[in-house]
Amino acid sequence: QVQLQESGPGLVKPSEALALTCTVSGGSISTSSYYWGWVRQPPGKGLEWIGSIYHSGSTYYNPSLKSRVAMSIDKSKNQFSLRLTSMTGADTAVYYCARAKWISFSLGWFDPWGQGTLVTVSS
Amino acid sequence: EIVLTQSPGTLSLSPGERATLFCRASQTVSSAHLAWYQQKPGQAPRLVIYDVFTRATGVPDRFSGSGSGTDFTLTISRLEPEDFAVYYCHHYGTTPRYTFGQGTKLEIK
Repeated sequence: QVQLQESGPGLVKPSEALALTCTVSGGSISTSSYYWGWVRQPPGKGLEWIGSIYHSGSTYYNPSLKSRVAMSIDKSKNQFSLRLTSMTGADTAVYYCARAKWISFSLGWFDPWGQGTLVTVSS
Repeated sequence: EIVLTQSPGTLSLSPGERATLFCRASQTVSSAHLAWYQQKPGQAPRLVIYDVFTRATGVPDRFSGSGSGTDFTLTISRLEPEDFAVYYCHHYGTTPRYTFGQGTKLEIK
């Protein structure tokens, strides 16, 4: 079955940019009807969707983060990536990658999820 | 943007009991676009229910979802030890206004 695995630095300095990659295995990232995205969870808190990308490069971003977010996709490596600029302590969180079903011209539920990677913003 | 409010914040029950978790939306949820996730400590969320009623692959039939409009429920008919976790509801279908509830912690009494 499809599995996702996040990779990237665990520590980012304030004001710098975060770059994470998610590698998809057990299936093609070019599969139709699925978007690939990122969800984060600050320690002890709830879930926040960051954005999602289709294999065509079409993207959707959370309006509250849109000015700082960019996502890209590399079909040859079956990977997609997140770049989040101007990091602050409020961005400290576990970052998950996840697949979203495309339904009724919109993003649907997330399944499956990667195991998550903790990113700490600190000097 | 639809705001999801889950209740109770914490639910303390014993194995074998019935659990009922609530998710209330600030506006009507259209087209049954509501899901539930289970998250255990140190793990990623796991899809349990989507489209209000539909169990995800591999989810035991003791889990069931119901509701419409603004009020939704996740019921676990007979709690097993592995069911104790945090549960989140999720409204989708209005990209980019994806929202999650704040979670209900289901703990062993």
